[in-house]
Amino acid sequence: NAGVTQTPKFRVLKTGQSMTLLCAQDMNHEYMYWYRQDPGMGLRLIHYSVGEGTTAKGEVPDGYNVSRLKKQNFLLGLESAAPSQTSVYFCASSGTTDNEQFFGPGTRLTVL
Amino acid sequence: QQQVKQSPQSLIVQKGGISIINCAYENTAFDYFPWYQQFPGKGPALLIAIRPDVSEKKEGRFTISFNKSAKQFSLHIMDSQPGDSATYFCAASYGSARQLTFGSGTQLTVLP
Repeated sequence: NAGVTQTPKFRVLKTGQSMTLLCAQDMNHEYMYWYRQDPGMGLRLIHYSVGEGTTAKGEVPDGYNVSRLKKQNFLLGLESAAPSQTSVYFCASSGTTDNEQFFGPGTRLTVL
Repeated sequence: QQQVKQSPQSLIVQKGGISIINCAYENTAFDYFPWYQQFPGKGPALLIAIRPDVSEKKEGRFTISFNKSAKQFSLHIMDSQPGDSATYFCAASYGSARQLTFGSGTQLTVLP
């Protein structure tokens, strides 16, 4: 039982490049979330999903897209990376009967 | 707009002392208030949580105090230990999707 896993752990991009971050959970959770963590700002919600095939915008969605084609996976895409997207990205998941969100280990992204 | 304000930004406590972290919220629709603990290089993990129908919840050395009329809640860590040194985030959520709004975080250092 791995919980929530994220791929990759680290990545360096140049401005304008694209990439996809993968989140996978093996707890059969319905809800999945993508957050970004920046110094002094806590975690801010980018996008979330309440089920397979559904996605919704969070607090800071601009510059990101997501897809939830399978229940266990939630992908976060950056189509044209900008230095302002340098951050640590966390994925989380939760079930329908419990409020607890389980977080992955994070992806540290640097955009040069 | 920061809907959950957290203080202090950093806190240094002697071993055996009491650590107190405070949060204030604006949105009266919030109905779930968790505290997350994060160690360097790791994702946040749920520490303790409370709903607004109770004024206090205690789990071991950790206690949440909740003041609904003041829209404030706080985390108390009794008998603080060096192993408690971490970053603590308060958060709040409401609605079926349960997306979390986080405070900015408090870096706690417990001196041996």
